[in-house]
Amino acid sequence: DTAVSQTPKYLVTQMGNDKSIKCEQNLGHDTMYWYKQDSKKFLKIMFSYNNKELIINETVPNRFSPKSPDKAHLNLHINSLELGDSAVYFCASSSWGYEQFFGPGTRLTVL
Amino acid sequence: QQQVKQSPQSLIVQKGGIPIINCAYENTAFDYFPWYQQFPGKGPALLIAIRPDVSEKKEGRFTISFNKSAKQFSLHIMDSQPGDSATYFCAARKPFLHETSGSRLTFGEGTQLTVNP
Repeated sequence: DTAVSQTPKYLVTQMGNDKSIKCEQNLGHDTMYWYKQDSKKFLKIMFSYNNKELIINETVPNRFSPKSPDKAHLNLHINSLELGDSAVYFCASSSWGYEQFFGPGTRLTVL
Repeated sequence: QQQVKQSPQSLIVQKGGIPIINCAYENTAFDYFPWYQQFPGKGPALLIAIRPDVSEKKEGRFTISFNKSAKQFSLHIMDSQPGDSATYFCAARKPFLHETSGSRLTFGEGTQLTVNP
């Protein structure tokens, strides 16, 4: 019944590693987003896909690469992880309505 | 460039008090102003929202006041309860191109609200 789900919930890894976060929504929405929430809880958009097309690509290091295999999924792959990448990453989705529905978040800790 | 400024950063009130959180925006292209509530370990969830052609909206104990000319809006929580303790974010929406659904939300910095029993 979960509307927007993310895996994993927690991710602890070493600097330099490559990791992925997966997101799935079962709301039938055609737009999905990745947000980063830093230690001060500030929420910032990173990427948005509409019908598998990249719409928003904020000033994010190119170590971050989103991939949308279909409208219900948006994954985030991060190469060469750095300490500053530690944050909570939220996936969200929306459709023609105004509301964005957020997932539960993935807490990434880079050691 | 922070397009939505939110204050205060933190707020402590007693049960039954009326906390007020304020936001100001710059971009007149914003067309929708939601408030999100976030509990620890959870994702933000929509609480209440307003369009700029309306000056006030109430949903239960939550009220948004909107001042278009001043480019400011605020959230009031009536009869606050300990269960309202959370982080509150204001946001402003800018739609994508008209051919596509979805939109860009710009968030304020967040307000950590604590309601003491």
